Amino acid sequence: AQKITQTQPGMFVQEKEAVTLDCTYDTSDQSYGLFWYKQPSSGEMIFLIYQGSYDEQNATEGRYSLNFQKARKSANLVISASQLGDSAMYFCAMREGWEDSSYKLIFGSGTRLLVRP
Amino acid sequence: DAGVIQSPRHEVTEMGQEVTLRCKPISGHDYLFWYRQTMMRGLELLIYFNNNVPIDDSGMPEDRFSAKMPNASFSTLKIQPSEPRDSAVYFCASSLNQAYSNQPQHFGDGTRLSIL
Repeated sequence: AQKITQTQPGMFVQEKEAVTLDCTYDTSDQSYGLFWYKQPSSGEMIFLIYQGSYDEQNATEGRYSLNFQKARKSANLVISASQLGDSAMYFCAMREGWEDSSYKLIFGSGTRLLVRP
Repeated sequence: DAGVIQSPRHEVTEMGQEVTLRCKPISGHDYLFWYRQTMMRGLELLIYFNNNVPIDDSGMPEDRFSAKMPNASFSTLKIQPSEPRDSAVYFCASSLNQAYSNQPQHFGDGTRLSIL
């Protein structure tokens, strides 16, 4: 089974509007972390936001927020007031296995976001 | 502050040649990761180091791949002999102590490798 599922291969959003990128995950661990990365067309990977499994509040970082629904095992990224520079690939990733000190990040297949002017 | 530095940015070489990719992690980071990104398989972890010691190399595809970290500021990923299916973007990433779960991995710009 896929550990990280991003069901939207591509999405469009109008500039200045909000957009939600979906991410569901599969783990039996109680302790885990969820990360979102942005990959522009230039290729680099940029860390955006983090949510821990025990965090009671949804993470926020500027225009980025994470809609974390633990029971549904979803960690959707919300980008408010989209800008043209937000056009990029977005990857959801999970780190599990704190107990055995495994520090692997498992990535989803990504969602390509295109912001229309 | 300097981020993770990878070299070269692009490498084109012929099948059978040895390829060496280089990485300088962020100063003070004690974890270093090597990833490979392809269209078919996405982002895959190849190997990671803690304090210069390889911890998990289960993602290394085969014996043609090797990685070393001789000191805290330098790591190499070597492919010998290279094959066309090794063509991919190779990323190096580093992070602070991963025991603190919210420590993100910071990625370099990647090396785009093409094996002809």
